[in-house]
Amino acid sequence: GAVVSQHPSWVICKSGTSVKIECRSLDFQATTMFWYRQFPKQSLMLMATSNEGSKATYEQGVEKDKFLINHASLTLSTLTVTSAHPEDSSFYICSAAKGAGTDTQYFGPGTRLTVL
Amino acid sequence: EDKVVQSPLSLVVHEGDTVTLNCSYEVTNFRSLLWYKQEKKAPTFLFMLTSSGIEKKSGRLSSILDKKELFSILNITATQTGDSAIYLCAQISSGSARQLTFGSGTQLTVLP
Repeated sequence: GAVVSQHPSWVICKSGTSVKIECRSLDFQATTMFWYRQFPKQSLMLMATSNEGSKATYEQGVEKDKFLINHASLTLSTLTVTSAHPEDSSFYICSAAKGAGTDTQYFGPGTRLTVL
Repeated sequence: EDKVVQSPLSLVVHEGDTVTLNCSYEVTNFRSLLWYKQEKKAPTFLFMLTSSGIEKKSGRLSSILDKKELFSILNITATQTGDSAIYLCAQISSGSARQLTFGSGTQLTVLP
């Protein structure tokens, strides 16, 4: 199989607080994981590429100090939204590639973040 | 800049109809094109295409890639209401660290 989980699936927080989202590959090791953001009725936008044991690579326009990514192990990457604001409310989805020789990415179920 | 364009943006059909979804791309150093189905949550993988002219098939779904004309199609035959979803096309280019560039998606609605 190729199962990717995310936790939490839904979170509501107050403006100014930080929220951590976990992405786990449950039955395979993933040296690279990806974080996407999706607004309603829009497609997925890549935020950053997370590599195990090294710093994440952020896409243009994504603030690295605001969206902290840690890829501490081959099965876990975390995204922390720091000092969240209402405009950060979105659907955050991670994906992982199963093996270095394949381009197929498997997605987690996503995390719905609502910032009040 | 790599670009993926899908058409139509939305499509409404009745059960039993056959649909064809289109995906064109402009990319430097193309490597793979992927199709995903997204219902309420995150996308689920359908197909990965790397070679021209080789049809990939899974049940009522099939897809093919034309690397000369830079497009791919996803066909769904005998559609069912459960096929209602957003269908996303994405491409990966060589040297991109396997980052997916997604199209805007096609919203398919299948009416009973």
